[in-house]
Amino acid sequence: KAGVTQTPRYLIKTRGQQVTLSCSPISGHRSVSWYQQTPGQGLQFLFEYFSETQRNKGNFPGRFSGRQFSNSRSEMNVSTLELGDSALYLCASSWKQGGPGYTFGSGTRLTVV
Amino acid sequence: ELKVEQNPLFLSMQEGKNYTIYCNYSTTSDRLYWYRQDPGKSLESLFVLLSNGAVKQEGRLMASLDTKARLSTLHITAAVHDLSATYFCAVDISDGTASKLTFGTGTRLQVTL
Repeated sequence: KAGVTQTPRYLIKTRGQQVTLSCSPISGHRSVSWYQQTPGQGLQFLFEYFSETQRNKGNFPGRFSGRQFSNSRSEMNVSTLELGDSALYLCASSWKQGGPGYTFGSGTRLTVV
Repeated sequence: ELKVEQNPLFLSMQEGKNYTIYCNYSTTSDRLYWYRQDPGKSLESLFVLLSNGAVKQEGRLMASLDTKARLSTLHITAAVHDLSATYFCAVDISDGTASKLTFGTGTRLQVTL
């Protein structure tokens, strides 16, 4: 059974650019959540999508956005990148909202220079 | 706002010793997760605790949940080097309509010979 797939694994971008990260959930899972992990702030919730609708959003600026497609794959976009956006971005899938149980992907490590 | 506190933040222990990691949280929840993270890697699910009094064991690790005390513990028995990693607890305050995990700060465990 395939796990949660995130692409790309690594990314280097320049300040001011934008970036799009992709997450394919486990087959049959319809909920996808995104988290940002940094050494200073730890793991923080970004947003959650279910049935192509954003159901919950964390305390991040509007530069962070996302969407979910009909096949449950999700993308997140960060515009006007800042140095502080350098982080490991993790997505998690579960078969329904509220879990229980969330399976995390391998993450995308974004470096902003 | 939900706060999740883990202690200790760093734990150096000798092989063969026992120790407990504590996870306190500030609001009512009956869903708590423990994850393991190796350096540069994603989060590996260890335990899903879904009710008061839940206790789960896997190998040298045992997790428990006391929802009344808002406390979960991760007990390590006879530690081995392979357990060296960072351990996170995460509290789930989903109400069935939206998912959101709030993570603790993590406990970095180092098992030495």
